[in-house]
Amino acid sequence: GDSVTQMEGPVTLSEEACLTINCTYTATGYPSLFWYVQYPGEGLQLLLKATKADDKGSNKGFEATYRKETTSFHLEKGSVQVSDSAVYFCALSVNTGGFKTIFGAGTRLFVKA
Amino acid sequence: NAGVTQTPKFRVLKTGQSMTLLCAQDMNHEYMYWYRQDPGMGLRLIHYSVGEGTTAKGEVPDGYNVSRLKKQNFLLGLESAAPSQTSVYFCASTTRGGKQYFGPGTRLTVT
Repeated sequence: GDSVTQMEGPVTLSEEACLTINCTYTATGYPSLFWYVQYPGEGLQLLLKATKADDKGSNKGFEATYRKETTSFHLEKGSVQVSDSAVYFCALSVNTGGFKTIFGAGTRLFVKA
Repeated sequence: NAGVTQTPKFRVLKTGQSMTLLCAQDMNHEYMYWYRQDPGMGLRLIHYSVGEGTTAKGEVPDGYNVSRLKKQNFLLGLESAAPSQTSVYFCASTTRGGKQYFGPGTRLTVT
């Protein structure tokens, strides 16, 4: 079945460090790919998305590129801030009679000042 | 737009009690979902609905029931709560593009 695997956390970085959170997927169809972010005590919010191969999603300095050949959608940011501390979820969505989204387990990021 | 709202925000139940969680969305979305979030396990789909009057089982449906009598509301029921149902519950609704809008969550503790 469809699945999403992302790197385990927590990831701890100093402010202004580079971030990469790895995400790979398996899917029988042609999925759309998403990164969601969850701040403490809140629900998930969409961070960025890509709907076809080689698309790059970007938002708030974060980027991820849909790599069909490696079935990956790694999240990157060149310079993290303390306010980026949150849990990040990679997800895929395939329309099989109702958009069903499969989430990765989440990666917690701590950014130290 | 309020987006997706959930009530209640917190609840403590004793084993065997019942309760209903309410999710409401004002975005006219067809698809709605109930997830549970447990530490280290991401989100797991409990039930979902592709339209008013329709529901379907997700990954972990046992012990839960749902109803979608109105397009804007999606109710999640626990008939006889168990400690294993202690979790944070999230409701979501979806655009046709697959982007999910989440509610703020309900933290449920079953003792």
